[in-house]
Amino acid sequence: EIVLTQSPGTLSLSPGERATLSCRASQSVTSSALAWYQQNPGQAPRLLIYGASRRPDVIPDRFSGSGSGTDFTLTISRLEPEDFAMYYCQQYGTSPWTFGQGTKVELK
Amino acid sequence: EVQLVNSGGGLVEPGGSLRLSCAASGFTLSDTWMTWVRQAPGKGLEWVGRIRKKSDGGTTEYAAPVKGRFTISGDDSNNILYLQMNSLKTEDTGVYYCTESLINWGQGTLVTVAS
Repeated sequence: EIVLTQSPGTLSLSPGERATLSCRASQSVTSSALAWYQQNPGQAPRLLIYGASRRPDVIPDRFSGSGSGTDFTLTISRLEPEDFAMYYCQQYGTSPWTFGQGTKVELK
Repeated sequence: EVQLVNSGGGLVEPGGSLRLSCAASGFTLSDTWMTWVRQAPGKGLEWVGRIRKKSDGGTTEYAAPVKGRFTISGDDSNNILYLQMNSLKTEDTGVYYCTESLINWGQGTLVTVAS
């Protein structure tokens, strides 16, 4: 199974700052089948990025994804108050699908 | 508008069974891939399994911890997805979500396995 390791575990930042989250895979992710989710307490995950860099229409353009192979990045260009949350990466190219352990973006 | 509504969670003793439902509206279940994801209290997300769309064979795949105990199926006439969970263990406790193409998610239903 592909193990996804996210770093850092916690990111302490202020509104307006740039956030860079990393997701490293134990082996190459097929066809860049890598997604990023945002989750707030008590809520279902929200898809931010799929295909490593594609953004659903409803997601603000301050969210961007990049990377291929084993190294992927989620960037939030300027943090808004509602962006302080938990973020997970997931690979869906190889079964079993797997998630990273998450990165918490918290208010500094 | 696509909507998924989870139900069926509750308290069950170890070794027991439970069937979760995911009622879909705004699309046809058999035309898309459906996935179940769970989240233990205070923990991260865990993929449980998926069912392919009918045109891809409608076959299922499961994560190792649930294989042989959980079964995903669909009721085409009522557009409902099911997760049949047997031989439940305490480590199966958590919120269970269904998701359509990873974009649309149900609100989740809590399963507690305890004596």
